[in-house]
Amino acid sequence: EPEVTQTPSHQVTQMGQEVILRCVPISNHLYFYWYRQILGQKVEFLVSFYNNEISEKSEIFDDQFSVERPDGSNFTLKIRSTKLEDSAMYFCASRLGTGRETQYFGPGTRLLVL
Amino acid sequence: EDKVVQSPLSLVVHEGDTVTLNCSYEVTNFRSLLWYKQEKKAPTFLFMLTSSGIEKKSGRLSSILDKKELFSILNITATQTGDSAVYLCAVLHNTDKLIFGTGTRLQVFP
Repeated sequence: EPEVTQTPSHQVTQMGQEVILRCVPISNHLYFYWYRQILGQKVEFLVSFYNNEISEKSEIFDDQFSVERPDGSNFTLKIRSTKLEDSAMYFCASRLGTGRETQYFGPGTRLLVL
Repeated sequence: EDKVVQSPLSLVVHEGDTVTLNCSYEVTNFRSLLWYKQEKKAPTFLFMLTSSGIEKKSGRLSSILDKKELFSILNITATQTGDSAVYLCAVLHNTDKLIFGTGTRLQVFP
């Protein structure tokens, strides 16, 4: 069964460094998402992406965040200058298309900012 | 502010018990409600509910939505240790984002 995959599974970085989290959505899916879950808290929406554009973004998704679909398979989340409070599990999700609304999640990247 | 509230936060049962997990919501521009099971990592999809009163079933799991009272329940019958997980309820907003509850942690002991 097709799955969303994410790399790396864990990333440790120093405050102020840039990180890129990578996702490979399910191959024929058209809509892509990033969510995050701070330890002990709810899963929170960050951004949705369709047709090479951001469709919607949350208040969390400020100028230090960006997303890109650099080729036909990858979907990336870049955090430009990490802060301690960016430490969280970051989930990528994808869905098929119009009328197919179920979002399927990847296993996540645990980011720790020191 | 949109919110999704799950109860109980935590539940401990023995194998064979039946459990009911609750999810209430206050979300403008509601589109549908989804249940996910989160074990170690990825939330895995269980059900999507769009219409009131229509039960969805998958094996020992079932779920129903009440759009008038703004809640959903997830039932698990004859629980097994493999059902131990965090169960997440999420509302799909019209803007295509999921709004999650805090989850219910279910522990099933032999």
